Amino acid sequence: GAVVSQHPSWVICKSGTSVKIECRSLDFQATTMFWYRQFPKQSLMLMATSNEGSKATYEQGVEKDKFLINHASLTLSTLTVTSAHPEDSSFYICSANRQGGSNEKLFFGSGTQLSVL
Amino acid sequence: DAKTTQPNSMESNEEEPVHLPCNHSTISGTDYIHWYRQLPSQGPEYVIHGLTSNVNNRMASLAIAEDRKSSTLILHRATLRDAAVYYCILRDPSGTYKYIFGTGTRLKVLA
Repeated sequence: GAVVSQHPSWVICKSGTSVKIECRSLDFQATTMFWYRQFPKQSLMLMATSNEGSKATYEQGVEKDKFLINHASLTLSTLTVTSAHPEDSSFYICSANRQGGSNEKLFFGSGTQLSVL
Repeated sequence: DAKTTQPNSMESNEEEPVHLPCNHSTISGTDYIHWYRQLPSQGPEYVIHGLTSNVNNRMASLAIAEDRKSSTLILHRATLRDAAVYYCILRDPSGTYKYIFGTGTRLKVLA
């Protein structure tokens, strides 16, 4: 089946540094990818929609200058958490949507646990 | 936003069937109903999806109400490995192909 690869699986960084997370669709082209964040015991919260070749669309309340998204190819989207602070510590998950009627499915990466010290 | 409502938690005994309900009264006529599950510290995993008819696969069955305003995920024989958070999700009606997650149901399986 289709696979979405996300890495790193976990990252620990110092406050003020930037962290980049990569999300790749391995066997299908994804013009659209999605980035979620999840706090412990809570559901996934959609942060932004990553659009290949154009600007990302951010959900209300998500700072676009804090969470930079780049979708330079049909198989790769990156999320950069800039000047990370402890409150940015969270589980970040990407997904890619394989579109097509009854075959439409979301495929998720394995997630990235970010801990900011 | 496409809204789904699920019980926060459910319990089941091992080897017994589990019926996980979901209400989605705002569903549009062309939206598929998707079910995913998430184990701790992992990304969600696809379980099943359907449009109008009941669906079966190796993991589960999906029963969809005739008016499509609710659905039930059926695990025929729960195992300890089925303990997870189960999400019923719909595409957002904005037409952007994004999906919004509700609270999900945390399934506990008792040995």
